[in-house]
Amino acid sequence: AQSVTQLDSQVPVFEEAPVELRCNYSSSVSVYLFWYVQYPNQGLQLLLKYLSGSTLVKGINGFEAEFNKSQTSFHLRKPSVHISDTAEYFCAVSAADSNYQLIWGAGTKLIIKP
Amino acid sequence: DTEVTQTPKHLVMGMTNKKSLKCEQHMGHRAMYWYKQKAKKPPELMFVYSYEKLSINESVPSRFSPECPNSSLLNLHLHALQPEDSALYLCASSQTQGGYGYTFGSGTRLTVV
Repeated sequence: AQSVTQLDSQVPVFEEAPVELRCNYSSSVSVYLFWYVQYPNQGLQLLLKYLSGSTLVKGINGFEAEFNKSQTSFHLRKPSVHISDTAEYFCAVSAADSNYQLIWGAGTKLIIKP
Repeated sequence: DTEVTQTPKHLVMGMTNKKSLKCEQHMGHRAMYWYKQKAKKPPELMFVYSYEKLSINESVPSRFSPECPNSSLLNLHLHALQPEDSALYLCASSQTQGGYGYTFGSGTRLTVV
């Protein structure tokens, strides 16, 4: 069975600085990987996903993530954050042995300091 | 149309009321989901409909009753809820069950008084 670990519950960063949100997963089979963003009082929006192919995945709003199979990681990065990026970010994984249900990390709150 | 639409956006109900949450998508997706999300937590899967058939029914209390009238619509009927059921209820859809990422609606904020 899979599990997802988001090591940081909160990440404070200054505006226009780079940011990395960490996500590690455990699985014995091939996985699909996702990052979702949830702005205050809203639903979840897909930022990006890794299904196969290139390990560097580009998403919306200038975010990208890199799939690292050997380290079982899928960290999310942005070179320069804005106040509008303040949100909760969830990493999720799905795989055949769990019927492709999404397994969620606990979430990381990104706090942008002016 | 690339959206999942949920109504109502907010709902306050008493513990003896019966209400329904509605969800609609027109993307041709054949799997639809109900999730419950408490504050500062990831969403928890409640129900899955795949090709209009309930394929997962986890240990969700019977006061929650899902219904899938057709491939575009998903309802969640609520009856005799408890205050601890107050949460954000999210609907999602995907092309097939679990495939390639889900599209989420903006949710219904439910408060049980």
